[in-house]
Amino acid sequence: SAVISQKPSRDICQRGTSLTIQCQVDSQVTMMFWYRQQPGQSLTLIATANQGSEATYESGFVIDKFPISRPNLTFSTLTVSNMSPEDSSIYLCSVELPEGLAGVWETQYFGPGTRLLVL
Amino acid sequence: GQQLNQSPQSMFIQEGEDVSMNCTSSSIFNTWLWYKQDPGEGPVLLIALYKAGELTSNGRLTAQFGITRKDSFLNISASIPSDVGIYFCAGQRGSGGGADGLTFGKGTHLIIQP
Repeated sequence: SAVISQKPSRDICQRGTSLTIQCQVDSQVTMMFWYRQQPGQSLTLIATANQGSEATYESGFVIDKFPISRPNLTFSTLTVSNMSPEDSSIYLCSVELPEGLAGVWETQYFGPGTRLLVL
Repeated sequence: GQQLNQSPQSMFIQEGEDVSMNCTSSSIFNTWLWYKQDPGEGPVLLIALYKAGELTSNGRLTAQFGITRKDSFLNISASIPSDVGIYFCAGQRGSGGGADGLTFGKGTHLIIQP
């Protein structure tokens, strides 16, 4: 089965700084996604990241604030730039996996998340 | 952005009871997914539905994809303590392995009283 890992698992940061979150998959995948989950809330899609192309951002999210890299088929990073307390959230990556690789369905599977607290 | 309407927001039940929760949308989704999230963890996929009218089971869990493609429900039979957690529905515009991100419901908190 596929393993999706994220680093760091959690961090406490000062406002105005930036944090880069890594997502690693142990299988090659085409589609990777980044989500934000604000405290006590549901998940909201930030952007879609395909290898070799620019990330596609959802309404309300911009590249200057959340730059994304996707250098190969097993890795992606999300940077939260110039952080403020409102950026305190769980940031999750997900990958589109084919049937059988991580489960019985071909669909999106999530990493464990990165818990970010901005002071 | 758009969110799915998920209900109930929370449920307090006795161990052994059956549970039912549902999601509705004003627009069509071609894939419906149900996830469970435990504290400190990422969401774990429970069931995926790809065809309108489809009824799919995974152990004690049963989910259905509404015929209009605008709703889905999840049933859990004979609940046990490890069923405690937050359940999320999610819709995807693409069908089966599409390249779209997911739109999530607000979640149902399931609490089981001993």
